[in-house]
Amino acid sequence: DTGVSQNPRHKITKRGQNVTFRCDPISEHNRLYWYRQTLGQGPEFLTYFQNEAQLEKSRLLSDRFSAERPKGSFSTLEIQRTEQGDSAMYLCASSLPFEGESTGELFFGEGSRLTVL
Amino acid sequence: RKEVEQDPGPFNVPEGATVAFNCTYSNSASQSFFWYRQDCRKEPKLLMSVYSSGNEDGRFTAQLNRASQYISLLIRDSKLSDSATYLCVVNPDMRFGAGTRLTVKP
Repeated sequence: DTGVSQNPRHKITKRGQNVTFRCDPISEHNRLYWYRQTLGQGPEFLTYFQNEAQLEKSRLLSDRFSAERPKGSFSTLEIQRTEQGDSAMYLCASSLPFEGESTGELFFGEGSRLTVL
Repeated sequence: RKEVEQDPGPFNVPEGATVAFNCTYSNSASQSFFWYRQDCRKEPKLLMSVYSSGNEDGRFTAQLNRASQYISLLIRDSKLSDSATYLCVVNPDMRFGAGTRLTVKP
């Protein structure tokens, strides 16, 4: 399977604990995005990498959230001191830049569902 | 103003109906445009890209109006299987609208 892979698929944790999600993008894609989605809402942009550089981070993202993409391949999203409001689906997507024959479309992983008790 | 705004919905239509969704965007420098389909508790999947001249894929037609900064999606002869949430997203910001939920009923 050469699609976007996310782990774990489900995570249940107690308030105050730290959690980390991993995303493995499609191998030739240099762009990687993290989104958060709650029921009835569209995916909310969190952050974006081009290769290993984090080029944009949502102002809505608190200091408890951090993302890395150290070698420009897989990425991790860490949430520290989780709160009940962090319960959501965390989606990762990858893409090529919009150039040449590429439209820059996003390819999504199946998501990591977080439940904070 | 949000970067991307969609018709709030929900849309409840009978089978065979024609339904249209609009999506407005705020960044005039937006370069490429997409409609995604999302089924309940699944990840979004690309339905179609939107080209400047408009494009059609079977029962689905997408249009772009750069002057008014909106894109549209038309679904003809709707099927029960079209029931889903439809999301628009524009490049380079890659922000999604809130989505429009469509339910097609027998």
